[in-house]
Amino acid sequence: GAVVSQHPSWVICKSGTSVKIECRSLDFQATTMFWYRQFPKQSLMLMATSNEGSKATYEQGVEKDKFLINHASLTLSTLTVTSAHPEDSSFYICSASRGQGVAFFGQGTRLTVV
Amino acid sequence: GDSVTQMEGPVTLSEEAFLTINCTYTATGYPSLFWYVQYPGEGLQLLLKATKADDKGSNKGFEATYRKETTSFHLEKGSVQVSDSAVYFCARTNAGGTSYGKLTFGQGTILTVHP
Repeated sequence: GAVVSQHPSWVICKSGTSVKIECRSLDFQATTMFWYRQFPKQSLMLMATSNEGSKATYEQGVEKDKFLINHASLTLSTLTVTSAHPEDSSFYICSASRGQGVAFFGQGTRLTVV
Repeated sequence: GDSVTQMEGPVTLSEEAFLTINCTYTATGYPSLFWYVQYPGEGLQLLLKATKADDKGSNKGFEATYRKETTSFHLEKGSVQVSDSAVYFCARTNAGGTSYGKLTFGQGTILTVHP
């Protein structure tokens, strides 16, 4: 299957700072990328969908000003958690698809806000 | 709304045992159904999928049949191996969507297989 890479795999940041997570499709052009969040022992929750060159579509209850998503190219989407707080600590996972095809997932990023 | 319910884990089996992980979904729209697997330290990988009622998805000895009458998509394997130890997620496409990327996941089931 296709390869999607996330960076970093884990990050620790101080409260009030911002942190950026990258999601790259390494061997295909991803017209659509998806960002999920996973709380401990819970399922993945879709946060937003981003299409290359356009604004992301956020799921209900997700603060778009807090979770900034940019999909500037067909191989890269970024999620920036702004003014992070301890409650933002979570596992963030991206996926990427070409057209409406099956999505391929990154390995996830563990964010810890202290 | 859309939801997926998986059997609670963790599931612990001996090698060569039969595996069933139950999954049921809400019957909104005409979803496609998936099983994803997450090995330790890795991202989710698509294990198998089924796009319409009565379809059977299969891969690596795993099977699941799309049962519309029972809104189920149970995962089965006849003989598990230690290397199957992982977290398994059942998922469905969101109602009204045409993309395989917008998914609703179950909570995941941890499978541990002992030699």
